[in-house]
Amino acid sequence: DAGVTQSPTHLIKTRGQHVTLRCSPISGHKSVSWYQQVLGQGPQFIFQYYEKEERGRGNFPDRFSARQFPNYSSELNVNALLLGDSALYLCASSLAQGRRANYGYTFGSGTRLTVV
Amino acid sequence: EDQVTQSPEALRLQEGESSSLNCSYTVSGLRGLFWYRQDPGKGPEFLFTLYSAGEEKEKERLKATLTKKESFLHITAPKPEDSATYLCAVQAGNAGNMLTFGGGTRLMVKP
Repeated sequence: DAGVTQSPTHLIKTRGQHVTLRCSPISGHKSVSWYQQVLGQGPQFIFQYYEKEERGRGNFPDRFSARQFPNYSSELNVNALLLGDSALYLCASSLAQGRRANYGYTFGSGTRLTVV
Repeated sequence: EDQVTQSPEALRLQEGESSSLNCSYTVSGLRGLFWYRQDPGKGPEFLFTLYSAGEEKEKERLKATLTKKESFLHITAPKPEDSATYLCAVQAGNAGNMLTFGGGTRLMVKP
């Protein structure tokens, strides 16, 4: 079975540009979350989508946006890139969303974004 | 605000030298505490989920335990292949499905 797939794996952008990152969840998983991981730190929550609706948003500026498609894949968009946006962007998929934390999160390998 | 603090930040062990990693947390209504392993340039790999104080889980040389304030990841007789960053994360009752991560512990096991 394919795991969580993210594309591209690496990306170099210039300040002020925009970027679109893509994520395909594990087959059957309806929930997708996005995390930003700056080098040497733990991942930080950006968004969660379930059944195409936003179910959670972290403390990130409006330059960050995302959406989920009918096939449950997802895109993360970042506008007006800053040097500080350089990070590993991780996508995690989960079977469902529920009150109990027994829906495990499977992470992809991430997209390494470098802003110059 | 939910907070997760991991210690030490880095740990160097000789092969076979057992040790423990600490994850201290403050959270409004813990729904779950997660341990992940992360290799350089890769995404986190799921290890354990713990739900309530007193719970323990084991997998090969790893054992995770949970109290009301902290979790420990015990590594017994580690091997060089156990070298990685170990991440702890909590899911709070009032925070939807988001995970709040600690900064991680970078473990290096020397042969």
